[in-house]
Amino acid sequence: DTGVSQDPRHKITKRGQNVTFRCDPISEHNRLYWYRQTLGQGPEFLTYFQNEAQLEKSRLLSDRFSAERPKGSFSTLEIQRTEQGDSAMYLCASSQGRGNEQFFGPGTRLTVL
Amino acid sequence: AQSVAQPEDQVNVAEGNPLTVKCTYSVSGNPYLFWYVQYPNRGLQFLLKYITGDNLVKGSYGFEAEFNKSQTSFHLKKPSALVSDSALYFCAVRDIWDSGAGSYQLTFGKGTKLSVIP
Repeated sequence: DTGVSQDPRHKITKRGQNVTFRCDPISEHNRLYWYRQTLGQGPEFLTYFQNEAQLEKSRLLSDRFSAERPKGSFSTLEIQRTEQGDSAMYLCASSQGRGNEQFFGPGTRLTVL
Repeated sequence: AQSVAQPEDQVNVAEGNPLTVKCTYSVSGNPYLFWYVQYPNRGLQFLLKYITGDNLVKGSYGFEAEFNKSQTSFHLKKPSALVSDSALYFCAVRDIWDSGAGSYQLTFGKGTKLSVIP
């Protein structure tokens, strides 16, 4: 499978715990994005990397959220001290080129109890 | 700032009839426009895009969309609906400035649930 992959697919955690998600983009894509989707809403942009550089961050990305893409390949999204409001589907996407579409992974569904 | 509106939460259409899912947008510069489809428990799948050129763009599974700059719209269409087209459809926009620079983030609408009735 050469699409975008995300791990884990589901995560259940208790409030206050830290969680980390991983995204592996399509191999030749230099741009990687994180979005968050809640029930009944469209995806909302969180952050974007070009190679290893984090170039855009949404105001939605509070200081409890951090994302990395250390070698310009896979990326991790960490949420510290999770809150119930963090419960959502976290989507990763990748793209190559200026006008090209973003390809999305299956998402990681986070449930904070 | 960029935004997208999908005025219909749900669209119902009989199988074999034409379908339209509406989308309007707002950008500061020029729009790159996209349609995605989401099936239950599956990720977003790309359908089609408008970057420049012909206002009518064709995409996957027989879908097409018409870019209308004066009405700031990008409605999704299909001449003959299939039951398998039933899904959640999202319109998305990127804002591209006259310099050619712009944000890479996509702004999505809230989605429109399409139900095709046999």
